[in-house]
Amino acid sequence: NAGVTQTPKFRILKIGQSMTLQCTQDMNHNYMYWYRQDPGMGLKLIYYSVGAGITDKGEVPNGYNVSRSTTEDFPLRLELAAPSQTSVYFCASSYKVDQPQHFGDGTRLSIL
Amino acid sequence: QKEVEQNSGPLSVPEGAIASLNCTYSDRGSQSFFWYRQYSGKSPELIMSIYSNGDKEDGRFTAQLNKASQYVSLLIRDSQPSDSATYLCASEGYGQNFVFGPGTRLSVLP
Repeated sequence: NAGVTQTPKFRILKIGQSMTLQCTQDMNHNYMYWYRQDPGMGLKLIYYSVGAGITDKGEVPNGYNVSRSTTEDFPLRLELAAPSQTSVYFCASSYKVDQPQHFGDGTRLSIL
Repeated sequence: QKEVEQNSGPLSVPEGAIASLNCTYSDRGSQSFFWYRQYSGKSPELIMSIYSNGDKEDGRFTAQLNKASQYVSLLIRDSQPSDSATYLCASEGYGQNFVFGPGTRLSVLP
């Protein structure tokens, strides 16, 4: 059972470049989330989705975009990468808002 | 602003001792609470869920919930060096999402 799969695991970008972080889950979960975690810090919610076609901003959405065209996939788009976006990005999913979230292995992103 | 607070630590305990991790939350409407363990460089993994007042035990782990006082705790009995990690407390939060605490770093000394 794959659970939540994130790709790529590592990426280095140059300032101003764009990229998409991929997240897919095979648990038929309705809720999906994107977090970033800076070194030594807690999780900060970027965007979340309560179902296909529905997304909403979290605590730190600036510089990011998301889409949710299917239940399984929730890609995160970085436009015009900036050094402040250097972080570890985690995707998570849950069946309902009051159920545990299951995390992917994360994507380590460096912007130079 | 709904918040979950934890002492950042580090909390150091000797091997074999009981580690006690505490968490308070601000939203009286929260009904679901979770403890996650995160090893350095890894993703958070769920340890315990607790929904009702009282204690819930799973192996060496016991979660305690007191809704009147708005706190949740995690006890780790017979602590092992492999328990050294950051422990995240989370609650069902406002606006369809979780609220995670900043985490407490636990160090179990051999």
